[in-house]
Amino acid sequence: NAGVTQTPKFQVLKTGQSMTLQCAQDMNHNSMYWYRQDPGMGLRLIYYSASEGTTDKGEVPNGYNVSRLNKREFSLRLESAAPSQTSVYFCASSESHSSGNTIYFGEGSWLTVV
Amino acid sequence: GQQVMQIPQYQHVQEGEDFTTYCNSSTTLSNIQWYKQRPGGHPVFLIQLVKSGEVKKQKRLTFQFGEAKKNSSLHITATQTTDVGTYFCAGPKAAGNKLTFGGGTRVLVKP
Repeated sequence: NAGVTQTPKFQVLKTGQSMTLQCAQDMNHNSMYWYRQDPGMGLRLIYYSASEGTTDKGEVPNGYNVSRLNKREFSLRLESAAPSQTSVYFCASSESHSSGNTIYFGEGSWLTVV
Repeated sequence: GQQVMQIPQYQHVQEGEDFTTYCNSSTTLSNIQWYKQRPGGHPVFLIQLVKSGEVKKQKRLTFQFGEAKKNSSLHITATQTTDVGTYFCAGPKAAGNKLTFGGGTRVLVKP
Protein backbone atom coordinates (compact mmCIF):
# COMPACT_ATOMS: atom_id res chain seq x y z
CA ASN A 1 0.00 0.00 0.00
CA ALA A 2 1.82 3.10 -1.26
CA GLY A 3 -0.37 5.68 0.53
CA VAL A 4 0.38 9.17 -0.79
CA THR A 5 2.93 9.42 -3.58
CA GLN A 6 4.29 12.71 -4.82
CA THR A 7 6.78 13.60 -7.54
CA PRO A 8 9.35 14.89 -8.07
CA LYS A 9 11.23 14.46 -4.82
CA PHE A 10 13.78 17.15 -5.66
CA GLN A 11 13.64 20.01 -8.14
CA VAL A 12 15.69 23.12 -8.85
CA LEU A 13 13.98 25.87 -10.81
CA LYS A 14 15.09 29.19 -12.14
CA THR A 15 13.07 32.24 -11.23
CA GLY A 16 10.15 32.56 -13.63
CA GLN A 17 10.04 28.93 -14.64
CA SER A 18 6.90 26.89 -14.16
CA MET A 19 6.43 23.40 -12.87
CA THR A 20 3.79 21.01 -11.58
CA LEU A 21 4.05 18.82 -8.51
CA GLN A 22 2.11 15.61 -8.91
CA CYS A 23 0.36 13.75 -6.13
CA ALA A 24 -1.67 10.56 -6.02
CA GLN A 25 -3.22 8.57 -3.18
CA ASP A 26 -4.43 5.00 -3.24
CA MET A 27 -6.49 5.04 -0.03
CA ASN A 28 -9.75 6.08 -1.71
CA HIS A 29 -9.70 9.29 0.30
CA ASN A 30 -12.06 12.09 -0.56
CA SER A 31 -9.99 15.03 0.64
CA MET A 32 -6.53 16.06 -0.49
CA TYR A 33 -4.20 18.87 0.54
CA TRP A 34 -1.02 20.68 -0.36
CA TYR A 35 1.15 22.08 2.43
CA ARG A 36 4.44 23.86 2.40
CA GLN A 37 6.98 23.66 5.22
CA ASP A 38 9.55 26.32 5.94
CA PRO A 39 12.01 26.30 8.85
CA GLY A 40 10.32 27.42 12.04
CA MET A 41 6.99 27.98 10.26
CA GLY A 42 5.41 24.60 10.70
CA LEU A 43 3.09 23.39 7.98
CA ARG A 44 1.01 25.90 6.09
CA LEU A 45 -1.92 24.92 3.92
CA ILE A 46 -1.69 26.13 0.33
CA TYR A 47 -4.82 24.61 -1.23
CA TYR A 48 -7.12 21.76 -0.44
CA SER A 49 -9.78 19.73 -2.18
CA ALA A 50 -12.57 18.58 0.09
CA SER A 51 -13.88 16.21 -2.56
CA GLU A 52 -13.44 15.39 -6.20
CA GLY A 53 -14.37 18.39 -8.30
CA THR A 54 -13.80 21.03 -5.63
CA THR A 55 -10.77 23.06 -4.63
CA ASP A 56 -10.36 25.85 -2.10
CA LYS A 57 -7.65 28.22 -0.97
CA GLY A 58 -5.74 27.63 2.22
CA GLU A 59 -3.57 30.02 4.19
CA VAL A 60 -0.93 30.77 1.52
CA PRO A 61 -2.42 30.27 -1.98
CA ASN A 62 -0.75 33.15 -3.81
CA GLY A 63 1.51 32.02 -6.64
CA TYR A 64 -0.03 28.55 -6.85
CA ASN A 65 -2.79 26.77 -8.71
CA VAL A 66 -4.20 23.30 -8.17
CA SER A 67 -6.13 20.71 -10.11
CA ARG A 68 -8.08 17.81 -8.66
CA LEU A 69 -7.75 15.61 -11.71
CA ASN A 70 -9.82 12.77 -10.26
CA LYS A 71 -10.37 11.23 -6.86
CA ARG A 72 -6.81 9.90 -6.71
CA GLU A 73 -4.80 12.83 -8.05
CA PHE A 74 -4.24 16.39 -6.90
CA SER A 75 -1.56 18.50 -8.59
CA LEU A 76 0.06 21.77 -7.56
CA ARG A 77 1.34 24.19 -10.19
CA LEU A 78 3.77 27.06 -9.86
CA GLU A 79 3.20 29.28 -12.89
CA SER A 80 6.17 31.60 -12.39
CA ALA A 81 8.46 30.38 -9.64
CA ALA A 82 9.96 32.86 -7.19
CA PRO A 83 12.77 32.36 -4.64
CA SER A 84 10.18 32.80 -1.87
CA GLN A 85 8.63 29.53 -3.04
CA THR A 86 11.75 27.60 -2.08
CA SER A 87 10.33 25.13 0.40
CA VAL A 88 9.42 21.54 1.12
CA TYR A 89 6.01 20.68 -0.26
CA PHE A 90 3.83 17.95 1.18
CA CYS A 91 0.79 16.46 -0.41
CA ALA A 92 -1.66 14.85 1.99
CA SER A 93 -5.02 13.17 2.07
CA SER A 94 -7.76 12.25 4.50
CA GLU A 95 -10.85 10.10 4.36
CA SER A 96 -13.13 13.10 4.48
CA HIS A 97 -13.10 16.77 5.14
CA SER A 98 -14.85 16.52 8.47
CA SER A 99 -13.12 17.42 11.68
CA GLY A 100 -11.10 14.70 13.33
CA ASN A 101 -9.92 12.81 10.29
CA THR A 102 -6.30 11.74 10.28
CA ILE A 103 -4.17 13.32 7.60
CA TYR A 104 -1.70 11.11 5.72
CA PHE A 105 1.30 12.84 4.21
CA GLY A 106 3.45 12.05 1.21
CA GLU A 107 7.20 11.98 1.55
CA GLY A 108 7.67 15.56 0.41
CA SER A 109 9.11 17.44 -2.55
CA TRP A 110 12.15 19.64 -2.01
CA LEU A 111 11.94 22.64 -4.30
CA THR A 112 14.67 25.24 -4.72
CA VAL A 113 14.12 28.36 -6.80
CA VAL A 114 17.28 30.20 -7.77
CA GLY B 1 -7.90 33.73 12.85
CA GLN B 2 -7.13 30.64 14.80
CA GLN B 3 -3.54 30.26 15.84
CA VAL B 4 -1.81 27.28 17.33
CA MET B 5 1.40 28.00 19.19
CA GLN B 6 3.90 25.45 20.39
CA ILE B 7 6.59 25.90 22.99
CA PRO B 8 9.44 25.42 23.14
CA GLN B 9 10.57 25.69 19.53
CA TYR B 10 13.65 23.61 20.32
CA GLN B 11 14.24 21.09 23.08
CA HIS B 12 17.65 19.65 23.83
CA VAL B 13 17.24 16.63 26.06
CA GLN B 14 19.76 14.36 27.70
CA GLU B 15 19.06 10.75 26.88
CA GLY B 16 17.07 9.21 29.71
CA GLU B 17 15.53 12.48 30.89
CA ASP B 18 11.89 13.54 30.65
CA PHE B 19 10.51 16.57 28.88
CA THR B 20 7.21 18.21 27.99
CA THR B 21 6.16 20.23 24.97
CA TYR B 22 3.11 22.45 24.99
CA CYS B 23 0.51 23.45 22.45
CA ASN B 24 -1.79 26.44 22.92
CA SER B 25 -4.68 27.55 20.77
CA SER B 26 -6.28 30.96 20.59
CA THR B 27 -9.69 29.31 20.25
CA THR B 28 -11.42 26.25 21.65
CA LEU B 29 -10.70 23.14 19.64
CA SER B 30 -13.09 20.30 18.90
CA ASN B 31 -10.11 17.98 18.86
CA ILE B 32 -6.35 18.10 18.66
CA GLN B 33 -3.95 15.88 16.80
CA TRP B 34 -0.25 15.25 17.27
CA TYR B 35 2.19 14.35 14.53
CA LYS B 36 5.85 13.39 14.55
CA GLN B 37 8.28 14.20 11.76
CA ARG B 38 11.66 12.50 11.75
CA PRO B 39 14.57 14.50 10.26
CA GLY B 40 14.23 14.46 6.48
CA GLY B 41 10.89 12.68 6.72
CA HIS B 42 7.23 13.51 6.58
CA PRO B 43 4.73 14.10 9.39
CA VAL B 44 3.17 10.93 10.74
CA PHE B 45 0.01 10.88 12.82
CA LEU B 46 0.51 9.93 16.47
CA ILE B 47 -2.76 10.49 18.26
CA GLN B 48 -5.98 12.45 18.48
CA LEU B 49 -7.58 13.85 21.63
CA VAL B 50 -11.23 14.79 21.67
CA LYS B 51 -12.58 15.06 25.21
CA SER B 52 -11.91 17.80 27.72
CA GLY B 53 -9.17 16.67 30.12
CA GLU B 54 -8.46 13.56 28.09
CA VAL B 55 -5.18 11.75 28.71
CA LYS B 56 -3.80 9.11 26.37
CA LYS B 57 -0.58 7.15 26.57
CA GLN B 58 1.56 5.52 23.93
CA LYS B 59 4.41 3.71 25.66
CA ARG B 60 6.64 6.53 26.96
CA LEU B 61 4.50 9.30 25.42
CA THR B 62 1.65 10.88 27.39
CA PHE B 63 -0.74 13.24 25.65
CA GLN B 64 -3.15 15.51 27.48
CA PHE B 65 -5.97 17.76 26.32
CA GLY B 66 -6.73 20.71 28.56
CA GLU B 67 -10.00 21.12 30.42
CA ALA B 68 -10.89 24.17 28.35
CA LYS B 69 -9.84 22.39 25.14
CA LYS B 70 -7.50 25.24 24.26
CA ASN B 71 -4.22 23.60 25.11
CA SER B 72 -2.49 20.27 24.98
CA SER B 73 0.77 18.75 26.09
CA LEU B 74 3.05 15.90 25.12
CA HIS B 75 5.24 14.44 27.83
CA ILE B 76 8.00 11.98 26.98
CA THR B 77 9.63 9.96 29.74
CA ALA B 78 13.10 8.45 29.57
CA THR B 79 13.91 10.07 26.25
CA GLN B 80 15.65 7.86 23.70
CA THR B 81 17.50 8.71 20.49
CA THR B 82 14.52 7.34 18.58
CA ASP B 83 12.51 10.27 19.93
CA VAL B 84 14.51 12.72 17.80
CA GLY B 85 12.31 14.71 15.45
CA THR B 86 9.79 17.51 15.31
CA TYR B 87 6.48 17.14 17.09
CA PHE B 88 3.54 19.07 15.73
CA CYS B 89 0.15 19.66 17.26
CA ALA B 90 -2.72 20.55 14.97
CA GLY B 91 -6.26 21.67 15.50
CA PRO B 92 -9.10 21.95 13.01
CA LYS B 93 -10.58 25.22 12.01
CA ALA B 94 -14.22 25.78 12.89
CA ALA B 95 -15.44 24.16 9.69
CA GLY B 96 -14.03 21.08 8.09
CA ASN B 97 -10.69 19.47 8.48
CA LYS B 98 -8.39 22.33 7.53
CA LEU B 99 -5.92 21.62 10.25
CA THR B 100 -3.91 24.51 11.62
CA PHE B 101 -0.49 23.26 12.58
CA GLY B 102 1.65 24.66 15.32
CA GLY B 103 5.23 25.59 14.49
CA GLY B 104 6.49 22.37 16.02
CA THR B 105 8.94 21.47 18.76
CA ARG B 106 12.20 20.15 17.41
CA VAL B 107 13.65 17.59 19.81
CA LEU B 108 17.35 16.85 19.88
CA VAL B 109 18.64 14.07 22.13
CA LYS B 110 22.11 14.12 23.60
CA PRO B 111 23.45 10.59 24.14
